[in-house]
Amino acid sequence: DAGVIQSPRHEVTEMGQEVTLRCKLISGHNSLFWYRQTMMRGLELLIYFNNNVPIDDSGMPEDRFSAKMPNASFSTLKIQPSEPRDSAVYFCASSYATITMTRPEQFFGPGTRLTVL
Amino acid sequence: AQSVTQLGSHVSVSEGALVLLRCNYSSSVPPYLFWYVQYPNQGLQLLLKYTSAATLVKGINGFEAEFKKSETSFHLTKPSAHMSDAAEYFCAVSDRYGNKLVFGAGTILRVKS
Repeated sequence: DAGVIQSPRHEVTEMGQEVTLRCKLISGHNSLFWYRQTMMRGLELLIYFNNNVPIDDSGMPEDRFSAKMPNASFSTLKIQPSEPRDSAVYFCASSYATITMTRPEQFFGPGTRLTVL
Repeated sequence: AQSVTQLGSHVSVSEGALVLLRCNYSSSVPPYLFWYVQYPNQGLQLLLKYTSAATLVKGINGFEAEFKKSETSFHLTKPSAHMSDAAEYFCAVSDRYGNKLVFGAGTILRVKS
């Protein structure tokens, strides 16, 4: 089985440019999580979806960040405009969870290393 | 609210020695606890999880962790360190449905030959 797939693996862009990160969930999973990892702040949950619906976006830093799930297996995280302080590794994770049958382990993708110059 | 504290940002052990990585949690509900490992330039990989069944949890690569409610701890151990264990280890706590994982700051394990 393929794991969580993220693209691109590396992104270098200039301040002010739009950046789009992509994530494909593991087949059959219904929850999707976006995390950001930095030296200063560690691993932070940005937003998560359940059955394509955003459930909690309280970790999204500001309006420059947006995330979507156009279908059950795919998600994008967009930063517009990007700033140097957005430089980080962005991870996507997926899991399968229902009210009555939970499997709370999350499976992580390899991450996208974003550098904003 | 849930939180995790990992004691020691860096731990160094000799090959063959006991590995002990410490994790204490705070949770207002019965916790689900996890240990993840991250190798350089890779994503996080689940080592083991505690979900209110057995308090001693065995994971991959010879690691295990013991849930101690009285001490609010979930320390990770391995009897004999291997060079390939060198990585960063994260303890995490989630709510019952795994909807939000809160991670500790991580512990970098160095294994000396």
